[in-house]
Amino acid sequence: AQSVTQPDIHITVSEGASLELRCNYSYGATPYLFWYVQSPGQGLQLLLKYFSGDTLVQGIKGFEAEFKRSQSSFNLRKPSVHWSDAAEYFCAVGAPSGTYKYIFGTGTRLKVLA
Amino acid sequence: GAVVSQHPSWVICKSGTSVKIECRSLDFQATTMFWYRQFPKQSLMLMATSNEGSKATYEQGVEKDKFLINHASLTLSTLTVTSAHPEDSSFYICSAYSGTINEKLFFGSGTQLSVL
Repeated sequence: AQSVTQPDIHITVSEGASLELRCNYSYGATPYLFWYVQSPGQGLQLLLKYFSGDTLVQGIKGFEAEFKRSQSSFNLRKPSVHWSDAAEYFCAVGAPSGTYKYIFGTGTRLKVLA
Repeated sequence: GAVVSQHPSWVICKSGTSVKIECRSLDFQATTMFWYRQFPKQSLMLMATSNEGSKATYEQGVEKDKFLINHASLTLSTLTVTSAHPEDSSFYICSAYSGTINEKLFFGSGTQLSVL
């Protein structure tokens, strides 16, 4: 069955510290991979995506993610977290054929300590 | 970038009434739109796929007679929650697909529905 797992429900980091949010997926083939951020009461904003090619992708707001096929993972990282990064982060997978019926992970809520 | 406008942002209604939520792609044409439901502190669950000019495709377990979807134009899809009950209270989000923009899928800002 197709699924996305975000093992960490909550993560708390200090401002300026590094961040890694984990995402593992189960899919028949290499899917399209996405990270979205959601602020309270808001829709989703795309941080970055992986379709093919270089497995280290750069996104907006200083985020990056690395696709590791052998581990079926697509972890999100940021070297130095800012207080404004506090939000909910969702990993998602989509079919390579581009039907855009995404499967979302359960999300990781990030709290940033001043 | 492409913008998807979702309206209203929040709505409170009495049990038994119907509520309509609009999803508009402001600067691109969206042949396909998606409707999701999100419970507090949970992920997005796809409810249905809305295609312009045709009937929506509902995910398993979603009542099509309760959640009416209309995609009458390339820029507008509506979700009507009919005879709403308290258990329908949730955060509803739409997304619109653009075949011509690299990012492809754009999300609305969501609608918080509270049924009293």
